[in-house]
Amino acid sequence: SQTIHQWPATLVQPVGSPLSLECTVEGTSNPNLYWYRQAAGRGLQLLFYSVGIGQISSEVPQNLSASRPQDRQFILSSKKLLLSDSGFYLCAWTGGEEKLFFGSGTQLSVL
Amino acid sequence: SQQGEEDPQALSIQEGENATMNCSYKTSINNLQWYRQNSGRGLVHLILIRSNEREKHSGRLRVTLDTSKKSSSLLITASRAADTASYFCATDPFNDYKLSFGAGTTVTVRA
Repeated sequence: SQTIHQWPATLVQPVGSPLSLECTVEGTSNPNLYWYRQAAGRGLQLLFYSVGIGQISSEVPQNLSASRPQDRQFILSSKKLLLSDSGFYLCAWTGGEEKLFFGSGTQLSVL
Repeated sequence: SQQGEEDPQALSIQEGENATMNCSYKTSINNLQWYRQNSGRGLVHLILIRSNEREKHSGRLRVTLDTSKKSSSLLITASRAADTASYFCATDPFNDYKLSFGAGTTVTVRA
């Protein structure tokens, strides 16, 4: 069966520090991969979308970047965090069907 | 921008009562999905209804879709304390596997 792993679960970082969040999917190949961000009490904002290795679509211009070095690995990064980068980050995948499978999320607090 | 908007924003009911929440969207769709999110966790897919369907059931869930009004409703019957969560509708407005989520309805079921 397919599973998705996302880590860390919680992260507290100072302003100006770098960021690396990792997501891996098991049990499937060539998934579509997504990074969403959720502000407190709000809906999800799509940040990045990938259909294959090295293929990244940026949905919102911002201080973040994404990479897909392997088929089932998706990384969210920043060189210098801003206060506004705080939020709940969710990785998700789909295998070509319409529904998304989400990871457990990373709560990022930038102080 | 968000495609779907849920209403109400929050709902508090007694255990055993039914909970109804609504979703309105802006563009034509192929399908509409409902997801559930427990506090601090990832989203879990509940049900998908296609544009040519008017009603769909899954256990205690009933979803309706009115494409003429661009709206959907989610009914949870005989609610339980474990149903306490936020519920989101999601659509794929451009049919490109990039789901757009509403801000969600937070449901609290009192024991």
